[in-house]
Amino acid sequence: QTVVTQEPSFSVSPGGTVTLTCGLSSGSVSTTYYPSWFQQTPGQAPRTLIYSTDTRSSGVPDRFSGSILGNKAALTITGAQADDESDYYCVLYMGSGIWVFGGGTKLTVL
Amino acid sequence: EVQLLESGGGLVQPGGSLRLSCAASGFTFDSYAMRWVRQAPGKGLEWVSGISGSGTSTYYADSVKGRFTISRDNSKNTLYLQMNSLRAEDTAVYYCAKAYSAGAARSIDSWGQGTLVTVSS
Repeated sequence: QTVVTQEPSFSVSPGGTVTLTCGLSSGSVSTTYYPSWFQQTPGQAPRTLIYSTDTRSSGVPDRFSGSILGNKAALTITGAQADDESDYYCVLYMGSGIWVFGGGTKLTVL
Repeated sequence: EVQLLESGGGLVQPGGSLRLSCAASGFTFDSYAMRWVRQAPGKGLEWVSGISGSGTSTYYADSVKGRFTISRDNSKNTLYLQMNSLRAEDTAVYYCAKAYSAGAARSIDSWGQGTLVTVSS
């Protein structure tokens, strides 16, 4: 059973830059996994930030960007703001219609 | 504007059944694949099931395969999730989600607000 890995927690200073990653317990993430990123604040539905590695969803500011870094998918937030403090989830396409989410990263802005 | 409105959640006993619905508007429903994603209390997101735009292809997570059935009625712009043999571990908020195009490899671009399913005696 392939596990999608994310950092459990991360912190960033206001105005700073942070890169969250999304990996596999076995193997490397590539564009063929169509990595996507979602933001969720407590009690709210998730919001799509990035899909297909690096395409920003409608209305998402350009300080959110997606990429492949080494053997992982990455979400970079530049100029972090207080309201970026959220849980961030990635999801990877495993083929045959199956998607697997990572466990999520809790981002603190302080 | 895309709108996804889930309904049908509630309290059900272990072994029971429930059918969730998701009423969609603001887009050409049959042109897009749809997904169900759930989130247990205090836990992360879990992909549950997906269906193609035409409804001819369906996909399931191992955790629900054989118990849950996804379907859609394109004439009513509605997505369904029939859940049978429910277990305590199925307790979660269930989100309806729209893919950004028709294919299985297309991720989610829009989410509903979710409906809570509680499995308990």
